[in-house]
Amino acid sequence: EVQLVESGGGLVQPGRSLRLSCAASGFTFDDYAIHWVRQAPGKGLEWVSGISWNSGSIGYADSVKGRFTISRDNAKNSLYLQMNSLRVEDTALYYCAKVGYCGGDSCRTTPGSFEIWGQGTMVTVSS
Amino acid sequence: QSALTQPASVSGSPGQSITISCTGTTSDIGGYNYVSWYQQHPGKAPKLMIYDVSNRPSGVSNRFSGSKSGNTASLTISGLQAEDEGDYYCSSFTSSSTRVFGTGTKVTVL
Repeated sequence: EVQLVESGGGLVQPGRSLRLSCAASGFTFDDYAIHWVRQAPGKGLEWVSGISWNSGSIGYADSVKGRFTISRDNAKNSLYLQMNSLRVEDTALYYCAKVGYCGGDSCRTTPGSFEIWGQGTMVTVSS
Repeated sequence: QSALTQPASVSGSPGQSITISCTGTTSDIGGYNYVSWYQQHPGKAPKLMIYDVSNRPSGVSNRFSGSKSGNTASLTISGLQAEDEGDYYCSSFTSSSTRVFGTGTKVTVL
């Protein structure tokens, strides 16, 4: 079974740091890009960051650029999000999402869609 | 990168058809055929319903269909059922090689 399990969320004060993890299983991890998507309480989905299969291509939303760093360890089938200088507005449920359905092409070379999602880990930034 | 624009809510009676629009720019929807749609029920993770504008993943009902014209993508749900209630989001690849989601649409079955 293809599965993504996020961890590392919690309550943190503004300005502090937190590191999220996403453990993958059931598929060949290094064949796919993986993304972080967040959802503030009662709000919509917001794309946060994505990383290609070999870490050669990385992108960030403007709202987190310079503060968050995405990384992956293909040997450990794991994705990470290092979050620094956290703000109250970073409070959200953070999902990791695997791309898939790449239109018959390799998902290493096409953007794909967010095929599989984890259940999320909650990050609360508050003093 | 601004969010794609969706109507806040759409409603319909069982059996009817509804359409949700998703408007972007030439830098996202208008420039690529990488538009996808997601369904989200309360307290649950999103579920992929449509990929690459108009394709359905395996297991998704053929009552769901997608299309695109210019900078606007659309999701149509035909034969509306109670289980279709929930929030729907569009998403697109962008010219910056990032992704953007729509503002979300709440679907209500009357």
